[in-house]
Amino acid sequence: SQKIEQNSEALNIQEGKTATLTCNYTNYSPAYLQWYRQDPGRGPVFLLLIRENEKEKRKERLKVTFDTTLKQSLFHITASQPADSATYLCALDEDTGGFKTIFGAGTRLFVKA
Amino acid sequence: DVKVTQSSRYLVKRTGEKVFLECVQDMDHENMFWYRQDPGLGLRLIYFSYDVKMKEKGDIPEGYSVSREKKERFSLILESASTNQTSMYLCASSSPGQNNEQFFGPGTRLTVL
Repeated sequence: SQKIEQNSEALNIQEGKTATLTCNYTNYSPAYLQWYRQDPGRGPVFLLLIRENEKEKRKERLKVTFDTTLKQSLFHITASQPADSATYLCALDEDTGGFKTIFGAGTRLFVKA
Repeated sequence: DVKVTQSSRYLVKRTGEKVFLECVQDMDHENMFWYRQDPGLGLRLIYFSYDVKMKEKGDIPEGYSVSREKKERFSLILESASTNQTSMYLCASSSPGQNNEQFFGPGTRLTVL
């Protein structure tokens, strides 16, 4: 069966360190993969998209890698800050029209000052 | 500032009641989506629409229906609410070509007693 897995355990890191979150998938051939941020009681907010033919994408302190052989995406936040504390969701879509995006359950990140 | 709004943040209904959840977007997006979010399960797609009066079932449509009479408005209907429909409901919209980025509303936390 198709599955997206994100670490269900919360990630606790110290301010200034790099946070690395993992997204693994099975039985998908995604055209692209997205990362979203969700704060408590709010809807997810889009952060980054990486396509199947891209290995790495950066945006400010964020970096996403995509390894279609390992079926894995890594999401890095460098120089993390307490304001980065949130739940991060990965999402993938096999349909380039964006009609059937599948979301992971998310990983909760806590950044301590 | 682009926006997706949902009619209620919190809603309490009784078993068997008909429930309407409304979503409005001001971005002229073609695509609109309804998800439910439950702890540990991530976002699950209930229905989506790619045009006015068009609708497609998602992964968990049972017990739900939708209506899209105008481009900016997408309604989710629970014909006869049940306790297992207690959840956070999130509406989203997107436009093809914009990274398939989905813009989410703030969510409606529905409790069915």
